[in-house]
Amino acid sequence: NAGVTQTPKFQVLKTGQSMTLQCAQDMNHEYMSWYRQDPGMGLRLIHYSVGAGITDQGEVPNGYNVSRSTTEDFPLRLLSAAPSQTSVYFCASISHRNNEQFFGPGTRLTVL
Amino acid sequence: AQSVTQLGSHVSVSEGALVLLRCNYSSSVPPYLFWYVQYPNQGLQLLLKYTSAATLVKGINGFEAEFKKSETSFHLTKPSAHMSDAAEYFCAVTTIYSSASKIIFGSGTRLSIRP
Repeated sequence: NAGVTQTPKFQVLKTGQSMTLQCAQDMNHEYMSWYRQDPGMGLRLIHYSVGAGITDQGEVPNGYNVSRSTTEDFPLRLLSAAPSQTSVYFCASISHRNNEQFFGPGTRLTVL
Repeated sequence: AQSVTQLGSHVSVSEGALVLLRCNYSSSVPPYLFWYVQYPNQGLQLLLKYTSAATLVKGINGFEAEFKKSETSFHLTKPSAHMSDAAEYFCAVTTIYSSASKIIFGSGTRLSIRP
């Protein structure tokens, strides 16, 4: 099992550009989440999904879109990048048996 | 809504000393509680979790945590610190009524180990 994979590892964008952060898991987990990590603020939940076709907003959803067309994939879209979105983004896949989260390696995004 | 507060953004201990990282939670319903560790430039790894079974939970790498409902606490301890324990530690909470996807994290505590 590859677990949770994220691409790209690093990305630099200019203000106003759009892009998609990819996340995939091969553990057949129904639940997946996106977090951003900023210094001194821990991880904040952006969006989450409880299954294919079902998504919902977390603590900080503004400026981000998600979709879940398959169980395996949960992409995060930045519609119009802003410097405030400079952060490290983590995708997580959750086992519904014991609520254990499995994290991807992260994407470090810089918006200029 | 639930939340967690981690007391102390940075803790420094000597090698071989007791490690104590503090976490207090707020939840109106029975919580599930977690501790995660993050090494530099890596994702998060689960250390241990409390899901309403035994109140003293043992995890990996010699860490343990005790759920104290009366104090709304879930502090992480390790009897003897090792240099390899230097990392950032996050406490997290969800509830049996929440989606497993809605785990809320604390702001983290950076643990440094002095030789």
